[in-house]
Amino acid sequence: QSALTQPASVSGSPGQSITISCTGTSGDIGSYTFVSWYQHHPGKAPRLIIYEVSKRPSGVSNRFSASKSGNTASLTISGLLAEDEADYYCCSYGGTSILGVFGGGTKLTVL
Amino acid sequence: QLQVQGSGPGLLMPSETLSLTCTVSGASISSRNYYWGWIRQPPGKGLQWIGAIYYSGSTYYNPSLKSRVTLSVDTSKNQFSLKLTSVTAADTAVYYCPRYIGSDGAFDVWDQGTMVTVSS
Repeated sequence: QSALTQPASVSGSPGQSITISCTGTSGDIGSYTFVSWYQHHPGKAPRLIIYEVSKRPSGVSNRFSASKSGNTASLTISGLLAEDEADYYCCSYGGTSILGVFGGGTKLTVL
Repeated sequence: QLQVQGSGPGLLMPSETLSLTCTVSGASISSRNYYWGWIRQPPGKGLQWIGAIYYSGSTYYNPSLKSRVTLSVDTSKNQFSLKLTSVTAADTAVYYCPRYIGSDGAFDVWDQGTMVTVSS
């Protein structure tokens, strides 16, 4: 099972919106709704921000939104804040017995 | 409030067996619909799913690591464990033990990670 493909880095200014893509295959993202996104500040525990393609857990800002089309999932962060600067990982169910296929991660820089 | 906390040796020699334990507090490890996972992050790299276990003992492994990984669960202690054999420097990583919600397909509660270094 190959890792999902994410851009290594993205950047944006405070108040702007950015989108991070996550490309998989018909064997993972393309076939399942179990796509999730995680925010990770280095040295801290990763934080679930999106599950089942576009659902937000309680307490996650509505500035975070996500979607999926075909084999590609996308995370959009609107109204960028300095605190959004972190690494973001996508993850998909990978089929029988493979609960998690992760992307390589995207470093978000808030300029 | 549910918490998970991993523990284990931080330094190993090549060829040794890595053994980590994750303690669950604030909820029963035997709760249905929840799986207990292991994920690692090598320095400067992304997250890699290692495997997961259900309270019944059913296990799920990353095919690339399956030959070296064994997961187990001790419901009496509310703990689950990871064993990774024949470690090399490539196994140096921060190891996380998050909970996986089966109905949501996501890892929702994470610990801060346990750094494991493999070096001679």
